[in-house]
Amino acid sequence: AQSVAQPEDQVNVAEGNPLTVKCTYSVSGNPYLFWYVQYPNRGLQFLLKYITGDNLVKGSYGFEAEFNKSQTSFHLKKPSALVSDSALYFCAVRDILFNNNNDMRFGAGTRLTVKP
Amino acid sequence: GAVVSQHPSWVICKSGTSVKIECRSLDFQATTMFWYRQFPKQSLMLMATSNEGSKATYEQGVEKDKFLINHASLTLSTLTVTSAHPEDSSFYICSAPRQGIANQPQHFGDGTRLSIL
Repeated sequence: AQSVAQPEDQVNVAEGNPLTVKCTYSVSGNPYLFWYVQYPNRGLQFLLKYITGDNLVKGSYGFEAEFNKSQTSFHLKKPSALVSDSALYFCAVRDILFNNNNDMRFGAGTRLTVKP
Repeated sequence: GAVVSQHPSWVICKSGTSVKIECRSLDFQATTMFWYRQFPKQSLMLMATSNEGSKATYEQGVEKDKFLINHASLTLSTLTVTSAHPEDSSFYICSAPRQGIANQPQHFGDGTRLSIL
């Protein structure tokens, strides 16, 4: 079975400061990991993914995430937060071994608020 | 641009009305689509997996007679909320993966805000 945990419901940072949104996962095999962002009354937008290769992956809008296999984590980061980054962020995992119809499991979401 | 189109984006209707939501993949064929429900400030709850040419697979606790899913073509899945009541008010989102490419992200529609009076 595959699952994802986002331990923080809410993250608050000041504009210009670095931000981290945490994610840990559990899979039986090797994971495909994704981050999505959701703005109010919108669907989810893809930010970045980890499939294989370099543990540090870079995505849209200056976001990056680091895959850590030993800690089973995939934290989302950005060096300098913008007010416009305020949104709901979802981590998702797909287990390569249990690729049932390509579905993925989502974390509970973390609301990021960047204050000016 | 968007690769999955969801329509309508907002519906307000009276209790007892049936509401149909469409989800279209615009530039790829989707033999599988997913329907999610999202309550305010909460995560996505997978309701069902829509399978082209066969019956949908519903998650535990989701009433299949209440939430009818039809996947009649490789680019269109519909979710019909039958005899909707206020407790069905929610944000419904569809998504579609590019079939057979497990390392690709799912593409999401923009969601449908359903408000039952």
